[in-house]
Amino acid sequence: ETGVTQTPRHLVMGMTNKKSLKCEQHLGHNAMYWYKQSAKKPLELMFVYNFKEQTENNSVPSRFSPECPNSSHLFLHLHTLQPEDSALYLCASSHRYRGRDTGELFFGEGSRLTVL
Amino acid sequence: GQQVMQIPQYQHVQEGEDFTTYCNSSTTLSNIQWYKQRPGGHPVFLIQLVKSGEVKKQKRLTFQFGEAKKNSSLHITATQTTDVGTYFCAGGGNEKLTFGTGTRLTIIP
Repeated sequence: ETGVTQTPRHLVMGMTNKKSLKCEQHLGHNAMYWYKQSAKKPLELMFVYNFKEQTENNSVPSRFSPECPNSSHLFLHLHTLQPEDSALYLCASSHRYRGRDTGELFFGEGSRLTVL
Repeated sequence: GQQVMQIPQYQHVQEGEDFTTYCNSSTTLSNIQWYKQRPGGHPVFLIQLVKSGEVKKQKRLTFQFGEAKKNSSLHITATQTTDVGTYFCAGGGNEKLTFGTGTRLTIIP
C-alpha cells in the first residue's frame, strides 16, 4: 500500500474512445502529478497540481485533459488517443513548499494504457 | 531547460559485484533524489541529498552529491538479486524535479 491508488491498472482503448484514469492519495499532500513512462522517455512529467490549481503543463497534447477536484483526487481524461500514447501513466503526490518540489514523490502503481 | 543525464543506461553484473550509476545535471541543483523501480513496479523513493559534497549510506548503498551540486552517484556494494531494477536520479531545480534517464541493473546469479 503506497498511499496513492490508481485505477484502472490496465486499460485498452481504441483511438475513438473516451476513458479516464483516476488517482487518489491518502497522505495529506498538497500536490499531485501525472507522469508518462515509456521506453523512449522513462519518466516524463505531464501535469502538476498544487492545491487543486494546475501549476505545470509540460506541453501535453489536448487529447489529455487533467482534472483535480480536490487535493486528494486527480483524473486524466483521455480522448482520441494515438497508438504512440500507449505507456504506463503514473500518478504521484508530494508536499510542495512555496511551489517547489522539496520532498519525496510517492507514486501509485500506475495505469498501463494500450491504444489500438 | 534543466536536463539530467544518467550513465550507464544498462548494467549487467555478476551477483556479488559492485555497481555504480552516475547522474549529471546541466544546471546547479538544490537537491537530488534517488528512486528505485523494480521490474513491473513503480518508482520508490530511496533518499534525498541536499548539501554540497554530502555522502549518505543505506546498508550496501552509498549516495554522493558532488561539490558543485551538479552531479551525483549511487554505489551498491556486493550486489544481490534483490537489487534488480531501474535506478533514477531526480534533480531539484527552481521549482520541479527533473528525472534522469535511469540505469537498468540486471544481476547474473
